[in-house]
Amino acid sequence: AQKVTQAQTEISVVEKEDVTLDCVYETRDTTYYLFWYKQPPSGELVFLIRRNSFDEQNEISGRYSWNFQKSTSSFNFTITASQVVDSAVYFCALLGDSSNTGKLIFGQGTTLQVKP
Amino acid sequence: DGGITQSPKYLFRKEGQNVTLSCEQNLNHDAMYWYRQDPGQGLRLIYYSQIVNDFQKGDIAEGYSVSREKKESFPLTVTSAQKNPTAFYLCASRQTGQPTSNQPQHFGDGTRLSIL
Repeated sequence: AQKVTQAQTEISVVEKEDVTLDCVYETRDTTYYLFWYKQPPSGELVFLIRRNSFDEQNEISGRYSWNFQKSTSSFNFTITASQVVDSAVYFCALLGDSSNTGKLIFGQGTTLQVKP
Repeated sequence: DGGITQSPKYLFRKEGQNVTLSCEQNLNHDAMYWYRQDPGQGLRLIYYSQIVNDFQKGDIAEGYSVSREKKESFPLTVTSAQKNPTAFYLCASRQTGQPTSNQPQHFGDGTRLSIL
């Protein structure tokens, strides 16, 4: 079975604080892909990053960084120096290579509120 | 600009009525998906289609129907059999072909459906 768990339902921080969103996944596939999406109040899901299971290098994109650790089945997302515009729901998702359908398994989402 | 267009943004359904949500994409993607999002929950897959004139049930297909007569269009009908239709509905598309699995899904802005 495949599963994604985002244990943090809601996080509230003050602007300029760093914040980490946790994501733990389960899969029996040896090849798989992990994604993070952002859902702002307007509703659309915005793709942030894709990581495959063979690439454990951490990635940084501006204030965003991702820490992929296969040993703990985690793919955590850190926002450095958070801003009010970062307020959104963030989803972690898994795509196993045994699926030919592109079906994503989503976590429950973490609502991030950044206060000024 | 290329993208996915969902309409309407808001939709109201009367008891016993079928309603259809529109999803159009001009990304030339082969695969299209419909998700349902309830408050505090992740996205759940309703139906998906990997090619024109073919579609498969997702995890919560009961009470819904779809068609895929054109590559760019994947309308979702919420039938009267769906007893709890109030939710946010998101349509997505994805490029297939090699390599298949690592292509992210792109999402529309969503349709919010409520019961009158």
